[in-house]
Amino acid sequence: SQQGEEDPQALSIQEGENATMNCSYKTSINNLQWYRQNSGRGLVHLILIRSNEREKHSGRLRVTLDTSKKSSSLLITASRAADTASYFCATDRYSGGGADGLTFGKGTHLIIQP
Amino acid sequence: IAGITQAPTSQILAAGRRMTLRCTQDMRHNAMYWYRQDLGLGLRLIHYSNTAGTTGKGEVPDGYSVSRANTDDFPLTLASAVPSQTSVYFCASSRGPSSYNEQFFGPGTRLTVL
Repeated sequence: SQQGEEDPQALSIQEGENATMNCSYKTSINNLQWYRQNSGRGLVHLILIRSNEREKHSGRLRVTLDTSKKSSSLLITASRAADTASYFCATDRYSGGGADGLTFGKGTHLIIQP
Repeated sequence: IAGITQAPTSQILAAGRRMTLRCTQDMRHNAMYWYRQDLGLGLRLIHYSNTAGTTGKGEVPDGYSVSRANTDDFPLTLASAVPSQTSVYFCASSRGPSSYNEQFFGPGTRLTVL
């Protein structure tokens, strides 16, 4: 079963606007990761936020984590047409951590209108 | 080779046939994974390997087998394909435990079972 669930399922905005996507998860985590997938391609890692971090930045990306609400958000500022993609959050399969893979949400499909 | 590669790119297979999807990485990563991606369901973990010589079951392992004879290769075998195994298959790797490390994804194999 999915650990993370993204919201909204789809988002369409104008180029230059900010895009916010949310992720909720069910059990305690060690870390939470965000990935991007362009149509027909493999996933690309964007950012990892640890459970003891509340906010993390990488370029135009800003990720927040609220472990009390079991939720995370991904903000893309000053969006560009090239940001059009699906975005997934991913968490540990088990709270104990380890190398036994991640559980992905179903993703948010972001469309940037020129 | 740079990164992680998969073969074939796509395949149409008759039900009941045996098929092996190949995955090779040149990053000397310890951990490797196989996911399937289906519309509306996101990515689901099939099998994983923490290190050469070890494998483990993921969320949807039935009908699939894997081996990890060396660090670089992680083939996925469908012993007797069924139409429900029609999907896009992604191989991924990480330097260490997936909880703490980003995963690198291959370009995917699109498999159709008729």
